[in-house]
Amino acid sequence: GAVVSQHPSRVICKSGTSVKIECRSLDFQATTMFWYRQFPKKSLMLMATSNEGSKATYEQGVEKDKFLINHASLTLSTLTVTSAHPEDSSFYICSAQTGGGVEASYNEQFFGPGTRLTVL
Amino acid sequence: GNSVTQMEGPVTLSEEAFLTINCTYTATGYPSLFWYVQYPGEGLQLLLKATKADDKGSNKGFEATYRKETTSFHLEKGSVQVSDSAVYFCALTTGGGNKLTFGTGTQLKVEL
Repeated sequence: GAVVSQHPSRVICKSGTSVKIECRSLDFQATTMFWYRQFPKKSLMLMATSNEGSKATYEQGVEKDKFLINHASLTLSTLTVTSAHPEDSSFYICSAQTGGGVEASYNEQFFGPGTRLTVL
Repeated sequence: GNSVTQMEGPVTLSEEAFLTINCTYTATGYPSLFWYVQYPGEGLQLLLKATKADDKGSNKGFEATYRKETTSFHLEKGSVQVSDSAVYFCALTTGGGNKLTFGTGTQLKVEL
């Protein structure tokens, strides 16, 4: 099946610094990538949807200046947590999808293994 | 809005036991329903799906039936194996760019 990688798998940073997380589709081109955040014993929360070459669409309540998303190519999207604080500590998961997300059909999302961010 | 509720875990079973993980949902519109599985250290993988009422999704011995009247999509397997130990997520989408709404996940532990 299609493989999505994330790097790094774990990162620890000091409060106030910025952290970049990469999401790559290894064997297919992803026109759309999604970024999720997972809290302990909570469901995955969709943060934003990014389409290659255009600005990301953020879900309500997600600060776009805090969580910068770039989808510069069909195989790479990045999430940068700017000026990170301890409350940003979480598990961040990306997924990649082929196709254009047509309303009437479902294009399967392929998920990365996640990145554990700890902000001290 | 959309929401998914699934039973809390962890669920601990002996090998060859019968498995049921309950999932109910609320949705605006007509959802497609999914079960995803996350093995330790790996990303979520699509296990099965159903796109309309009374459809049964099945894969690797797991089954789930789309019950519109009870807004449910319970996951079942007749005989679990140790290798089935993982976290299982119920999810739905109502289109609109294929955004998925997930349940909280249920951890399954299967012991010998």
